[in-house]
Parts: sequence; structure tokens; C-alpha cells
Amino acid sequence: DTAVSQTPKYLVTQMGNDKSIKCEQNLGHDTMYWYKQDSKKFLKIMFSYNNKELIINETVPNRFSPKSPDKAHLNLHINSLELGDSAVYFCASTIGATNEKLFFGSGTQLSVL
Amino acid sequence: GNSVTQMEGPVTLSEEAFLTINCTYTATGYPSLFWYVQYPGEGLQLLLKATKADDKGSNKGFEATYRKETTSFHLEKGSVQVSDSAVYFCALSDAGANSKLTFGKGITLSVRP
Repeated sequence: DTAVSQTPKYLVTQMGNDKSIKCEQNLGHDTMYWYKQDSKKFLKIMFSYNNKELIINETVPNRFSPKSPDKAHLNLHINSLELGDSAVYFCASTIGATNEKLFFGSGTQLSVL
Repeated sequence: GNSVTQMEGPVTLSEEAFLTINCTYTATGYPSLFWYVQYPGEGLQLLLKATKADDKGSNKGFEATYRKETTSFHLEKGSVQVSDSAVYFCALSDAGANSKLTFGKGITLSVRP
């Protein structure tokens, strides 16, 4: 069983559209994250949720809205997609909120045309 | 704020060569330090970690020593294999609850047979 699973794996869409990426973890972890990896492999945190509560919100445009219906799920909705949103988005999770070991999903490659 | 600086890549080595990937950091307090590895098409995985000065993390033949005096956490392996080809990320986590991982830029390692 995959520990942290994201869907879809690939997402190709037009500028201006709205899309969602889903993430689920079956590890019983309390904290989940969204990271964005650009074309140069630079990885930057976007959001962190602990037990469904937002605890980290980096300077991300408000077109990005995370939603955590329960502590096993953290979805990312993106409105009015722009070319610069093209990247690989990774979901991750960890026990507690201390970052000792993150488990990552395999990523969602988003291409905005 | 916290930051992690990795040497510029990519790095190409022949099988059985010695590997060093440099990493230095800037942080307040006493962060934990990590190396994560990303194999092609996959999410990141924790490779090794060290939580205090002079600790040595090791895994799969890779080692890194937490050097507080030089604020460094260089990754080494005595004899690389083709299967080590991946992207390597140095990261730090500040202490306390609701901390976050700060990643370096990542460096791509290619090992030739």
C-alpha cells in the first residue's frame, strides 16, 4: 500500500482554469504539507496542516487554497491557473509537528498551457 | 531566516568514484540536519539525519557529519553505484513545535557505468 498517495500524477490544463490535487496518507500522521518544486528542482514549502488546522502558510497567492477534511487528507485547489504555476507539487506527511522525518508522495506534475 | 546552500550541480561520476556533496547552513539555535534523496519519478525520501553537533548520520554507505563550527553537513560516499543516480537535497529543521523543513536547491548526481 502506498503510504502517501497523490492524484493525479499528471495534470495538463489551460491558463485560467481551476484544478484540484488530492493527497491521502495512510500512516496515521498528524501533519501534512504541500511543497512546490520548480524546474530547477528547488523545493519550497507552501502549506502545513496539523490535525486539520493550518499551521504554516508561506507567501503563496490566495489562488491556492488547501483543504483538510480530516487528518489523513490534504487537498490543494488552485483557481485561475497561470503559466508560472507549472511545477511538480509534492504532498508530504509526518508524525507530530517536528519534521523529524517526512514521507513524500510521488508528486503531481502540473503543466499550464 | 534559515537557509541551506548546496554546491552547484550537476555532478557526473564514474562507478566506484568517491562522492562529496557540500552543504552549508544558516540558522538560529540548534537545528536538525537532513539529507533527502529523490530518485527519478519519485518523491523525496529521507537518506540520513543528525540532530546535534558532531553527530554522524549514515545510511546505504552515505555519511554526513554535523559540523557546528563550519555550519556544514557535507554528504560523502566512498564508492558510488549507478543506482545512486538521483537528486540530493540538504535540509534543516529548526527546533520546536510547528517547525518547518528548509531545503537546499538540490543537486543532480549521475553515475556512469
